[in-house]
Amino acid sequence: GAVVSQHPSRVICKSGTSVKIECRSLDFQATTMFWYRQFPKQSLMLMATSNEGSKATYEQGVEKDKFLINHASLTLSTLTVTSAHPEDSSFYICSAIGPREGQPQHFGDGTRLSIL
Amino acid sequence: QKEVEQNSGPLSVPEGAIASLNCTYSDRVSQSFFWYRQYSGKSPELIMSIYSNGDKEDGRFTAQLNKASQYVSLLIRDSQPSDSATYLCAVEKNNAGNMLTFGGGTRLMVKP
Repeated sequence: GAVVSQHPSRVICKSGTSVKIECRSLDFQATTMFWYRQFPKQSLMLMATSNEGSKATYEQGVEKDKFLINHASLTLSTLTVTSAHPEDSSFYICSAIGPREGQPQHFGDGTRLSIL
Repeated sequence: QKEVEQNSGPLSVPEGAIASLNCTYSDRVSQSFFWYRQYSGKSPELIMSIYSNGDKEDGRFTAQLNKASQYVSLLIRDSQPSDSATYLCAVEKNNAGNMLTFGGGTRLMVKP
């Protein structure tokens, strides 16, 4: 099955630090990657949709200058949380999908971000 | 009305019983439907996809789709304690480039 690798799995850092999270599709070309955030006991919240070679599309209420997304190749997308603060602490999950309509999204293992 | 609705649970079933998880959606033209399982602290894992009305079986799992009623369900036969997790129903947004709308999830507890 499709494999999506996400790194790092856990980050603990001080307030004001910028954190980069990588999402890679290991065995297929991901034309689209999605970034989600999940707070405890809540469902997934889509933050942005990232298409290879173009600017990400952000959901309403998500600050694009704070959450920088780069999708430079068909197998790699990165999310950078700039100047992170304690309220940014959450579980960040990426997913990837190929070009055909109707395919399921395959998720990375997630990154647990804790800002002190 | 939420786009994808699920009962949050918890749904508690004894080991060996059938667990029935339900989901309704509002977008009449959705064509692709997925069930994901999410263990606590982990990311979602795809269990089933279904695209046509009727039943689709895969091992102990059966997905059921009724587009007229805008209803999709997941049955888990011979439930095991290891099935205890949150089950997320996801519906593809029409003409939205494979974007999914997720329900809030149903927490399933299988008691030994």
